[in-house]
Amino acid sequence: DAKTTQPNSMESNEEEPVHLPCNHSTISGTDYIHWYRQLPSQGPEYVIHGLTSNVNNRMASLAIAEDRKSSTLILHRATLRDAAVYYCILSYTGTASKLTFGTGTRLQVTL
Amino acid sequence: DTGVSQNPRHKITKRGQNVTFRCDPISEHNRLYWYRQTLGQGPEFLTYFQNEAQLEKSRLLSDRFSAERPKGSFSTLEIQRTEQGDSAMYLCASSLNWVVGNTIYFGEGSWLTVV
Repeated sequence: DAKTTQPNSMESNEEEPVHLPCNHSTISGTDYIHWYRQLPSQGPEYVIHGLTSNVNNRMASLAIAEDRKSSTLILHRATLRDAAVYYCILSYTGTASKLTFGTGTRLQVTL
Repeated sequence: DTGVSQNPRHKITKRGQNVTFRCDPISEHNRLYWYRQTLGQGPEFLTYFQNEAQLEKSRLLSDRFSAERPKGSFSTLEIQRTEQGDSAMYLCASSLNWVVGNTIYFGEGSWLTVV
């Protein structure tokens, strides 16, 4: 599986936007970019995914670089409930059937 | 939609004992996954089922671990002769057939402490 690189931790103030970066320089043309997050003492939950174009949903936006070697998860207005570990994961469109997690980015949100 | 359910949520066992965890996936989800997570690490893939067939097993799944999904619905993960290194959170997840972007839904996990 192609690897991703994320900062270990980030901090944000509440109600400010947060940009969580992810590098995936070895991404292949058929790899999708997925973001999951894990709140304390819970299982991971889906946030967003994309292939080439930027994506928006009710939780977040995903900005994908033109060369696809990096992406950014954008939380438009961070709240205390967004404090979690955020995982950037690549998955093949073909036969791969599982998600391979790294160590993610721990996001702290302060008042 | 009641989500992925895991039982028990917490288990403390003595080294050498056997433990079994149960996972009830979301109804009609034909894929079921088991992951293991230790403190400070991301979840590590253990195995997955497509209906009742176990299609992939990680090398992390030693001979002491066995997973079943007998009727393609609920699944069990058994650990025999537990060791302290087995202490972790065991996560179950489910999804529909893999269609890119098909969300994988995780349960809240079963915490195992081996003393």
